[in-house]
Order: sequence, then structure tokens, then C-alpha cells
Amino acid sequence: DVKVTQSSRYLVKRTGEKVFLECVQDMDHENMFWYRQDPGLGLRLIYFSYDVKMKEKGDIPEGYSVSREKKERFSLILESASTNQTSMYLCASGGTGMSTDTQYFGPGTRLTVL
Amino acid sequence: RKEVEQDPGPFNVPEGATVAFNCTYSNSASQSFFWYRQDCRKEPKLLMSVYSSGNEDGRFTAQLNRASQYISLLIRDSKLSDSATYLCVVLSGSARQLTFGSGTQLTVLP
Repeated sequence: DVKVTQSSRYLVKRTGEKVFLECVQDMDHENMFWYRQDPGLGLRLIYFSYDVKMKEKGDIPEGYSVSREKKERFSLILESASTNQTSMYLCASGGTGMSTDTQYFGPGTRLTVL
Repeated sequence: RKEVEQDPGPFNVPEGATVAFNCTYSNSASQSFFWYRQDCRKEPKLLMSVYSSGNEDGRFTAQLNRASQYISLLIRDSKLSDSATYLCVVLSGSARQLTFGSGTQLTVLP
């Protein structure tokens, strides 16, 4: 059974704190993704990675960075959390090379920044 | 204009009803199309891919009209368990990026 796990289901942080969100997949996928999901806006792509140490900006990368040191692990970093980063964060993995039609999602991390 | 647009609903239908969702996309170079399902407080999961010839999976039928840049999902004989948000998803631009619509909420009533 495919598995994407995220380090926390719920997280509460204060403005200005550094936040790490971790994602691990066990499907040997090359491609991994970070999205945020907000009411009325749907899922928006923050960053993605198609190989170890590779990363590409998605639609809304500002205020975020990522790290992919191992194939199975993709981390999202908020260098200095702000209240407008309160959201549901979803990690996904899918496919190898250019094939990424099916993405498998983790359960999500609901982050609240106070 | 959003890249992928859906009617947000909500659609409230009785059990056994047939319901149809529509979706339009703006990028004519889009390559692949999907419907994902997202239950309340859960992650999205792939429901079905959408092919030009149309495809069916049990009670679910998906259609694609490339000329009109339009995708549809038809659910026949609705069940209570079909209650969820249905996300229209398009693969375009970089082959690795999916663009999600904001979803259509369906509630099937007893």
C-alpha cells in the first residue's frame, strides 16, 4: 500500500518562528511536491522536486524554502512564519521522470501561525 | 482568469440521483486531465483519469472536450458515500505540475 506521511497533523507556531514540515514517501518516487490548500483557492503548488537536491518553484514559493537530501524525504521550511501562512499543507509524491499523472498525498499538516 | 475553474457548489442531491460536475481549463496545451476526490478533513485521492474518448468506471463517467477546453464528471445512482469535494485537475506546462481546481462540494442526502 502506498504511503506518504507528514510529521505533524496539527501545528501551532508564533509569528517569526522557523517552521519545518517533513514529508516521507515509501514508493521510490522521484517527484515530490508541497502544496497549500485554502478555502476558495484550492491547492496551490509551493515547490516541487524531481530528484535529490533538485528543486523548482511552484506558483507561490515566496516565504518558503525546501530541502531534498534523500529521495524519500522532502522538507518544507518557513524561515520566519507569518499569519498569512496559516493553512493546510499537503505533501504529495508521484511518478518518475516526466511521468507524474497520479500523485499520492499525505494526510496534511494544519498549521496555525499566531 | 483561473487556470482551472469549477462551480464550487454545494450540490445537495438525494440518494439515487444523477449529478454532473463541469470544469473548464484555460491552457489549450494541457496534456492530461483527472478527477480527484477529497473527503472532509482528508487528503485528495485520484478518482479517475479523463480521456478524449470518454471513460467510465462503474457509476462514474468522465468526458473531455478539448475544443471547448471542458471536462465533466457524471455520477449515476448517487450513494451517501459519494459525499465529498471533487477536484478537477489538469497537467500542463511542465510535465510534472498539476493544477487543481478549487473543487465542487457534493452532499448526497438520505
